[in-house]
Amino acid sequence: DSGVTQTPKHLITATGQRVTLRCSPRSGDLSVYWYQQSLDQGLQFLIQYYNGEERAKGNILERFSAQQFPDLHSELNLSSLELGDSALYFCASSANRQGVNTEAFFGQGTRLTVV
Amino acid sequence: DQQVKQNSPSLSVQEGRISILNCDYTNSMFDYFLWYKKYPAEGPTFLISISSIKDKNEDGRFTVFLNKSAKHLSLHIVPSQPGDSAVYFCAASAGYGQNFVFGPGTRLSVLP
Repeated sequence: DSGVTQTPKHLITATGQRVTLRCSPRSGDLSVYWYQQSLDQGLQFLIQYYNGEERAKGNILERFSAQQFPDLHSELNLSSLELGDSALYFCASSANRQGVNTEAFFGQGTRLTVV
Repeated sequence: DQQVKQNSPSLSVQEGRISILNCDYTNSMFDYFLWYKKYPAEGPTFLISISSIKDKNEDGRFTVFLNKSAKHLSLHIVPSQPGDSAVYFCAASAGYGQNFVFGPGTRLSVLP
């Protein structure tokens, strides 16, 4: 158990709909990352938050948005869903305290299927 | 533009032998490197990391080697076990608190 919790585990929705994926980081971790994995491909970085502030953006579509709340949990919102958005969405967290590089721990992922 | 490359999509090794997984990177700003293992339908699991100030880091059966001049790192698993069969991802970050860039992964099969 990595300590990172993602809900829901599975989500099936129709094209054009909007969904919200939720992530609770490990206790005390300040950084949250979102990644997308499509069809057994690599992990594509979407976005990173650090202590509530957006830190970095990757190849995240304009239809997607995220936020990190004061309690450090994060949500990824996907709207106007298309078939190609079907993928595994992973959340990860890392401590990143005191200027020291630390590894990221991943949740189990949310499998999104758009039909 | 793939900044982290794993040129071998798959690798098969006999149980008990050494597994060597390779990774190349292009961004000279990367200074922290990690290896993750992933089973199907699970999240990636952290294995081992190395900072750019080192050239080797060891943890049990896992050793990571870094060659900064060649922008190359490798993961050695000795001895390989059937439970090591998984997809292995190399990842890198450019400085404290930065995001992690992942390679496409190498599928390792350890044959009994």
